[in-house]
Amino acid sequence: SAVISQKPSRDICQRGTSLTIQCQVDSQVTMMFWYRQQPGQSLTLIATANQGSEATYESGFVIDKFPISRPNLTFSTLTVSNMSPEDSSIYLCSAQTGLLDAFFGQGTRLTVV
Amino acid sequence: GQSLEQPSEVTAVEGAIVQINCTYQTSGFYGLSWYQQHDGGAPTFLSYNALDGLEETGRFSSFLSRSDSYGYLLLQELQMKDSASYFCAVRDSNYQLIWGAGTKLIIKP
Repeated sequence: SAVISQKPSRDICQRGTSLTIQCQVDSQVTMMFWYRQQPGQSLTLIATANQGSEATYESGFVIDKFPISRPNLTFSTLTVSNMSPEDSSIYLCSAQTGLLDAFFGQGTRLTVV
Repeated sequence: GQSLEQPSEVTAVEGAIVQINCTYQTSGFYGLSWYQQHDGGAPTFLSYNALDGLEETGRFSSFLSRSDSYGYLLLQELQMKDSASYFCAVRDSNYQLIWGAGTKLIIKP
């Protein structure tokens, strides 16, 4: 298993600004992912954070809007850039330690006003 | 396309047994996982099945039939704290988790 510390837990931001979300894992993990989840909805994968190389983005998500860093095997950041109210959501980071299990940070509840 | 189907909502009585079904259609299959998510919380891993059959972990059991592309999560002796959303997920050939839409479990006293 893995314990993931994600921060901030919530934030209210002005439109046009950027927010960086951090995730720290208590052990080295092979894969880390960033998701977005609207309340009451399923998880939508934003990108896979690759250690030492550019993240792999899913359809509908681009690097300019959601730049991701992963400098080592225990840490990753997601930046939500030039925010608009449509970016209001819960953002979750996840780490995979085995083939099937995944562990999540507590999420960042973002409100853009 | 890839998809997982599960009921949107299930209601049960405290102390009873409830089954949440999941059918899937994915490119590649590395097993079926189940996650629990309470309101305002993050998903937490419950169980997974890589092979056909039943896996039991305390009050929770999970079943898989690969030939039917079907699985279920069985919750026994329901407690009020089990009220949550339950997601099934399949890891595909790209090692990404494909998620179902989630089943909201409502437990009545």
